[in-house]
Amino acid sequence: KAGVTQTPRYLIKTRGQQVTLSCSPISGHRSVSWYQQTPGQGLQFLFEYFSETQRNKGNFPGRFSGRQFSNSRSEMNVSTLELGDSALYLCASSLSTGAGNTIYFGEGSWLTVV
Amino acid sequence: GESVGLHLPTLSVQEGDNSIINCAYSNSASDYFIWYKQESGKGPQFIIDIRSNMDKRQGQRVTVLLNKTVKHLSLQIAATQPGDSAVYFCAETEAGNNRKLIWGLGTSLAVNP
Repeated sequence: KAGVTQTPRYLIKTRGQQVTLSCSPISGHRSVSWYQQTPGQGLQFLFEYFSETQRNKGNFPGRFSGRQFSNSRSEMNVSTLELGDSALYLCASSLSTGAGNTIYFGEGSWLTVV
Repeated sequence: GESVGLHLPTLSVQEGDNSIINCAYSNSASDYFIWYKQESGKGPQFIIDIRSNMDKRQGQRVTVLLNKTVKHLSLQIAATQPGDSAVYFCAETEAGNNRKLIWGLGTSLAVNP
């Protein structure tokens, strides 16, 4: 069974641009969540989607948004990029949202903002 | 943000020894805890989890211990191997909010051959 797949793996953007990152969860998984990982802040929760609905949101500005499609695939978008948005963006999926549903991560998308 | 700290503690062990990685969690309402391993350039890899109604759980070469009284979690790795070298994170979450993982500092494990 394929794992969580994230695309693109690496990208470089210019300050002010916007970026869209894509995540395909493990087949059958309906919950998708996103995290930002930076050396300065560690791992931080961005948001979570289940059945196309955002269920949880972290403490990030409105420039960070996401969505989930009917096939559970998810995208996140960052508009008006800032240098501080340079990070590894991780997508995770799980079967459902109940405690004990193992959360699996993808390899991440490395975003560099210049 | 809600994550903690920037300076990774480091644990250095000899190949074949047992490793113990500790984690203090913050939220008394947390009821589900997970250990992840992250190798350089890769996403976190699930190792083992434990729910708050347990105090010990064993996997293959790994054991997680949970002490709710002092809000402490530990990961024990038996017969540590060079392939175990990575950063290890504990994560906590609470019922009703359980996809929102709150991450610990991370501990860098270096296994010396």
